[in-house]
Amino acid sequence: AQKITQTQPGMFVQEKEAVTLDCTYDTSDQSYGLFWYKQPSSGEMIFLIYQGSYDEQNATEGRYSLNFQKARKSANLVISASQLGDSAMYFCAMREGFIYSGGSNYKLTFGKGTLLTVNP
Amino acid sequence: EAQVTQNPRYLITVTGKKLTVTCSQNMNHEYMSWYRQDPGLGLRQIYYSMNVEVTDKGDVPEGYKVSRKEKRNFPLILESPSPNQTSLYFCASSVTGGWNTEAFFGQGTRLTVV
Repeated sequence: AQKITQTQPGMFVQEKEAVTLDCTYDTSDQSYGLFWYKQPSSGEMIFLIYQGSYDEQNATEGRYSLNFQKARKSANLVISASQLGDSAMYFCAMREGFIYSGGSNYKLTFGKGTLLTVNP
Repeated sequence: EAQVTQNPRYLITVTGKKLTVTCSQNMNHEYMSWYRQDPGLGLRQIYYSMNVEVTDKGDVPEGYKVSRKEKRNFPLILESPSPNQTSLYFCASSVTGGWNTEAFFGQGTRLTVV
């Protein structure tokens, strides 16, 4: 089974509207971190937002927020007031804890990504 | 400025010609790793290092070598590159290897092996 699933290969949104990018994850660890990265066409990986498994509040960073539903194992990224510069590939990723993984190497496990296009 | 620097950014080489992609971070991070990104496969970990002189295989280590002689540097070595190693490569570093630590990525290296 995939550890990180992003079910939307592509999404379109109008400028200034909000958009939600879906991410579900699979882990048996109690301790884990969820991350979202943005990859523009230039190729670099830009960190956007982090949510820890013990965090009770949803993470927010400017126009980015993470809708964390632990029981459903989902960590959706919400971008408010979309801008043309938000057009990019977005990756959800997870880092699992050590104790229950029997020796995790702390790698980031990535989803396949969602290509977001913001239309003017 | 805190950053992870990879060189070169772009490289075209021929099959079998040894090459090294350098990675350097200036944040005193303990944990460093290499990923490759391929269409349809996402990012996969090649090798990682918990600290100086401590390295281990990731998910796709075949055909690659690494070393960690200094904390800041983590070069990726392809002893005999083959066309299936054509990919986009990323170096990443974290304060530690903990589950709650953000990874900082280099700019990426686009490698083509012909």
